[in-house]
Amino acid sequence: SYELTQPLSVSVALGQTARITCGGNNIGRKNVHWYQQKPGQAPVLVIYRDNNRPSGIPERFSGSNSGNTATLTISRAQDGDEADYYCQVWDSSTVAFGGGTKLTVL
Amino acid sequence: EVQLVQSGAEVKKPGESLKISCKGSGYSFTTYWIGWVRQMPGKGLEWMGLIYPGDSDSTYSPSFQGQVTISADKSISTAYLQWSSLKASDTAMYYCARHNSGYYIDSWGQGTLVTVSS
Repeated sequence: SYELTQPLSVSVALGQTARITCGGNNIGRKNVHWYQQKPGQAPVLVIYRDNNRPSGIPERFSGSNSGNTATLTISRAQDGDEADYYCQVWDSSTVAFGGGTKLTVL
Repeated sequence: EVQLVQSGAEVKKPGESLKISCKGSGYSFTTYWIGWVRQMPGKGLEWMGLIYPGDSDSTYSPSFQGQVTISADKSISTAYLQWSSLKASDTAMYYCARHNSGYYIDSWGQGTLVTVSS
């Protein structure tokens, strides 16, 4: 099965830029999607196909994907961005999720 | 508006069977794959499998193949996840999830908490 590696935690100062990585073998050749999950809530899609934002997701959220690393970037971080973030790909007819990254806004 | 509404929380004993449901509305139920995702307490997301309600074609994660059954009744726009014999380790939140053609999840149910305890 395809493995996706995320850091357990990332911290960012209020108003600064957070970057959450997702590593995988030649992940740059795949479409990567990102989800945000706040405590007690279902996940929400924030980026699809590497760098596309669904309707209603702020422009502060962006994504990139190249080589062996995909990155979710959150600009001007706010308290409301504090959450768990998961990357996801489709591989060999199955969905693979990364282990998740807890974003803390200081 | 796309909505996935799941059945309520369940408390079961080990060895019991269970079937939970997910009703879709606001879109053509038969033309989107519906999947299930497990989240054990304090842990990450685990994809279990999915089904295409139009023809009931399904695929499972190797980790869940043979452990659960995913089905759908297109006449009532409802997908199901079932167990024949629950274990304590099945205690988790289960989400149903609509998969877009790009194989990402664009809509989630609210989750069904399953607790298995003697």
